[in-house]
Amino acid sequence: QQQVKQSPQSLIVQKGGISIINCAYENTAFDYFPWYQQFPGKGPALLIAIRPDVSEKKEGRFTISFNKSAKQFSLHIMDSQPGDSATYFCAATGGSGTYKYIFGTGTRLKVLA
Amino acid sequence: DAGITQSPRHKVTETGTPVTLRCHQTENHRYMYWYRQDPGHGLRLIHYSYGVKDTDKGEVSDGYSVSRSKTEDFLLTLESATSSQTSVYFCAISWDRATGELFFGEGSRLTVL
Repeated sequence: QQQVKQSPQSLIVQKGGISIINCAYENTAFDYFPWYQQFPGKGPALLIAIRPDVSEKKEGRFTISFNKSAKQFSLHIMDSQPGDSATYFCAATGGSGTYKYIFGTGTRLKVLA
Repeated sequence: DAGITQSPRHKVTETGTPVTLRCHQTENHRYMYWYRQDPGHGLRLIHYSYGVKDTDKGEVSDGYSVSRSKTEDFLLTLESATSSQTSVYFCAISWDRATGELFFGEGSRLTVL
């Protein structure tokens, strides 16, 4: 019940295209769903996050879509740019008394110029 | 950037030797975490701390111990390193679990021969 399943493992997109990464969770106690972006040699950094009281959150070219009934959430990168090439991790946390963030296995995105 | 310093950044050691990784923060954040990152596994929580001398196990805690004697320092110790502990280790901090944002250090790459 603690898993967060992420797909695809890798993704290649043309510049200007849409990148879509999906995650699914099992624990209905999760109440916070962030996405982290990691560049080579660096630590992950928060990109965008959503709580389950909304179905979508948009920040610039990045959008999270959230489907509570299906226990799924996804990251959409519009107008993908070569500078977006990085590894993306979804995560989930929440529930009474927990300080644990459960991460997906990551998606390596490459945007071709 | 959050004030998180990990040391050493790179270390090569031999099987059976003890290893200590240090995480130092200047943000006065309450919560501190140690993750390991491995291909195909994403980020997995080793141990975390919710205050000075208050620590708990994560999902992959076997073979690791931690200590937090001051707010700013969180130490991860491998009592007797094994090749399976070859990994990149990330420290993360958070001021409040409810906000969700983890700030990561730049990682410590450990190779156990």
